[in-house]
Amino acid sequence: AQKVTQAQTEISVVEKEDVTLDCVYETRDTTYYLFWYKQPPSGELVFLIRRNSFDEQNEISGRYSWNFQKSTSSFNFTITASQVVDSAVYFCALSEEMTGNQFYFGTGTSLTVIP
Amino acid sequence: EPEVTQTPSHQVTQMGQEVILRCVPISNHLYFYWYRQILGQKVEFLVSFYNNEISEKSEIFDDQFSVERPDGSNFTLKIRSTKLEDSAMYFCASSERDGITDTQYFGPGTRLTVL
Repeated sequence: AQKVTQAQTEISVVEKEDVTLDCVYETRDTTYYLFWYKQPPSGELVFLIRRNSFDEQNEISGRYSWNFQKSTSSFNFTITASQVVDSAVYFCALSEEMTGNQFYFGTGTSLTVIP
Repeated sequence: EPEVTQTPSHQVTQMGQEVILRCVPISNHLYFYWYRQILGQKVEFLVSFYNNEISEKSEIFDDQFSVERPDGSNFTLKIRSTKLEDSAMYFCASSERDGITDTQYFGPGTRLTVL
């Protein structure tokens, strides 16, 4: 079973539109961490955010915001006023205390921002 | 800003040959990881390494794979006898503390092509 599900395979938006990338996770652990990474066309993975299971406060960083809801096991990522440079594949990931150090990645959402 | 580096950026090899992928983690980090990403697919955990030994490994990390920290700065992944299905992007990552509680920072990746 998938521990991290990113149901949106591809999304296209016009520049300056807002876009939300969905992430649903599955875990039985009470202590876990959620992450978002960006993979631009150049291929590297860029860390965006980490959230622990005990902190449900939403986070805002510039045009980026994250909505963590334990009740629905979701950790969604919103980009406001999207820009062409936001075009990338975005991965959500989970690490659980009981499974050690490994990260479980979702399949990624490919975002294309059209100028 | 400190970053993880990987060499080479692209490696082409013949099936059955041995390859060594090299990584230089961030200098004060203690935990090291290898992941792979087959083209167009999600990122998959291979192995984590701490205190000169493997701490976690996935089922992908079979006897053909090995990791080593030959000196104080390098962290290597060796594939003994490459197969066609080993063709992928291999990412090295490091974290200051246990990956459960700390963020893993990724290198730019090495693209391995097995012919």
